[in-house]
Amino acid sequence: ELKVEQNPLFLSMQEGKNYTIYCNYSTTSDRLYWYRQDPGKSLESLFVLLSNGAVKQEGRLMASLDTKARLSTLHITAAVHDLSATYFCAVAHMDSNYQLIWGAGTKLIIKP
Amino acid sequence: NAGVTQTPKFQVLKTGQSMTLQCAQDMNHEYMSWYRQDPGMGLRLIHYSVGAGITDQGEVPNGYNVSRSTTEDFPLRLLSAAPSQTSVYFCASSYSRGLSGSPLHFGNGTRLTVT
Repeated sequence: ELKVEQNPLFLSMQEGKNYTIYCNYSTTSDRLYWYRQDPGKSLESLFVLLSNGAVKQEGRLMASLDTKARLSTLHITAAVHDLSATYFCAVAHMDSNYQLIWGAGTKLIIKP
Repeated sequence: NAGVTQTPKFQVLKTGQSMTLQCAQDMNHEYMSWYRQDPGMGLRLIHYSVGAGITDQGEVPNGYNVSRSTTEDFPLRLLSAAPSQTSVYFCASSYSRGLSGSPLHFGNGTRLTVT
């Protein structure tokens, strides 16, 4: 059974600081997704990581995938208030028709 | 371009009532799915479809039915609502699942309360 763990689940940080959210998963997969959700809103796709060593960057966010370690990271550089949201990782379960298994989400609050 | 459209946005049901959550997409996506989102649990897959006429169960299918008569529409039926089905429901679609790795496009959600 594929399990996905995110940590931390809650993060409060100051503007201008750097931080990393971690997504660990328990079985083999080479496909991982990051999504953002604002309070009361839908989910928005941020990154699709499709191979070992994949790195994607968009603005102050950078995501990477290490399939050997079964680990993905979402790094935030010089955080700004607009990045406050809940971030989810989801891993494709290759043995189950690529169904996505979701982490519980990391609620990120960035204080001015 | 509307994307994925869900209706209604809010719904209150009494225990035992039935209802249908509607989902439509205009992107010609093969893959459509229904998730529920509960606090602290991420998203859990209820049912999914890889094309018209094809549906399959996800992680938490009990108490829900789906059908896919057209590429565009994927309604979710609650057969006899229970308080445990109080949740936020999201419909999502993608071009395909599998090797392409295309991401999901989500609707705006339906907030359902069962009393």
